[in-house]
Amino acid sequence: EVQLVESGGGLVQPGGSLRLSCVASGFTFSSYSMSWVRQAPGKGLEWVANIKQDGSEKYYVDSVKGRFTISRDNAKNSLYLQLNALRAEDTAVYYCARGLGYGYVSWGQGTLVTVSS
Amino acid sequence: QSALTQPPSASGSPGQSVTISCTGTSSDVGGNNYVSWYQQHPGKAPKLMISEVSKRPSGVPDRFSGSKSGNTASLTVSGLQPEDEADYYCSSYAGSSGVVFGGGTKLTVL
Repeated sequence: EVQLVESGGGLVQPGGSLRLSCVASGFTFSSYSMSWVRQAPGKGLEWVANIKQDGSEKYYVDSVKGRFTISRDNAKNSLYLQLNALRAEDTAVYYCARGLGYGYVSWGQGTLVTVSS
Repeated sequence: QSALTQPPSASGSPGQSVTISCTGTSSDVGGNNYVSWYQQHPGKAPKLMISEVSKRPSGVPDRFSGSKSGNTASLTVSGLQPEDEADYYCSSYAGSSGVVFGGGTKLTVL
C-alpha cells in the first residue's frame, strides 16, 4: 500500500523558516517524480513545486520562487520542502503527492503551516 | 500560472447528471491531454477521479467521466449519489510552468 506521511508543520512568525518532510513507503520512491501542493484554509488547491526522480530538475510556482526549496533523499525515501521568508499568505495545509502532475493518485494526509505573529 | 476557471457551485438531485466545466488556455488545458479531476470531502486529502482527460483510476465508479474540447475540460457525474457531494478541482500539467489547478466547484446533491 502506498503511503505518504508529512510532518514538520507548525506555527511560525512572519519571516521565519520551516522544513517539511514527507516519508514514502509502498513503492519505489526513486522511480517517481514528487510534488508539493498546498491548500489555504477554506481555499482551493495550489501546486507549489515538483522534483524529478533524481532531483536534477525542480520547478516552483512563481509566488514561492527564491523562498522555498524542494529536495529529496532517495536513500531515505523522503521528500522535503524548505520554507524560508514565510508570509501570512503561506498559511496552508501542505500535501506531498506522487508524480509530476499528470494525475496525483497518491497524497499524504497533509501538514498545517500557520504563519502568524 | 493563472488558475483554471471553474463554476463555484453546481447541484443536482439524486439520480440526475451534472457537468462541471474547467476553462484554461492553449498553454495548459488546450495544449496537452494531462487534465485531471479531484474530489475532496471536508477535512480529507483530494482523491483522483479522472486523469489524462478521461481515464478513470481503479476503483472510481464509471458514473464519473471526463472530456475536453479546445481549452475547456468537463467532468460529468451521472446518477448522482449523496456521497458525491464534495468539492471538485480540475488541474492541468503545464510543463516547466508546473501544474495549474482550478478554483474548485462545490457540488451539492439536493
